[in-house]
Amino acid sequence: AQSVTQLGSHVSVSEGALVLLRCNYSSSVPPYLFWYVQYPNQGLQLLLKYTSAATLVKGINGFEAEFKKSETSFHLTKPSAHMSDAAEYFCAVSEGGRDDKIIFGKGTRLHILP
Amino acid sequence: DSGVTQTPKHLITATGQRVTLRCSPRSGDLSVYWYQQSLDQGLQFLIHYYNGEERAKGNILERFSAQQFPDLHSELNLSSLELGDSALYFCASSGTTDTQYFGPGTRLTVL
Repeated sequence: AQSVTQLGSHVSVSEGALVLLRCNYSSSVPPYLFWYVQYPNQGLQLLLKYTSAATLVKGINGFEAEFKKSETSFHLTKPSAHMSDAAEYFCAVSEGGRDDKIIFGKGTRLHILP
Repeated sequence: DSGVTQTPKHLITATGQRVTLRCSPRSGDLSVYWYQQSLDQGLQFLIHYYNGEERAKGNILERFSAQQFPDLHSELNLSSLELGDSALYFCASSGTTDTQYFGPGTRLTVL
């Protein structure tokens, strides 16, 4: 069975500082991994995805994530936080294939301090 | 804009009632997924349809049902509503890639 654990339900960083949101997954087969962002009162937007190609995945808005099989991790980073990055971020896993359901983590709310 | 549309945006109803949520997938996408987002349960997968056929079921209550029509739009029917059914309901669609594109959601409030 698949699962996702996001460490920290709330993370605060200063504007301009490094953003690091942690995600660990569990999957019995090579996983597909995703990061989604949800702005207040909006739907989910895909930031980036890993589907067994390059382990370092670049996404939109300057975010990237690295797939580390040995650590079962898929942490999300951004070198320099911007006020507009304040949102809720969800890590998610599926067992592959375009028809598979996605299992979401509980989310991490990112706060940006001026 | 993901290209997935959901109506209505907000829905307020009473316990015991029945409601229908509608989703139109992106043009050409054959798969539609329904998810429920609540404060206590987080984002949970409900059901997946592919080209009119049910493909997978998740944590969907027996009071809930869904279908996908020949024009590929989907409806999620929620009946005998309870206070705990208050949540955001998202649909997502996917096509030939591995990416699910989410609609803006329907916020259901059961009073």
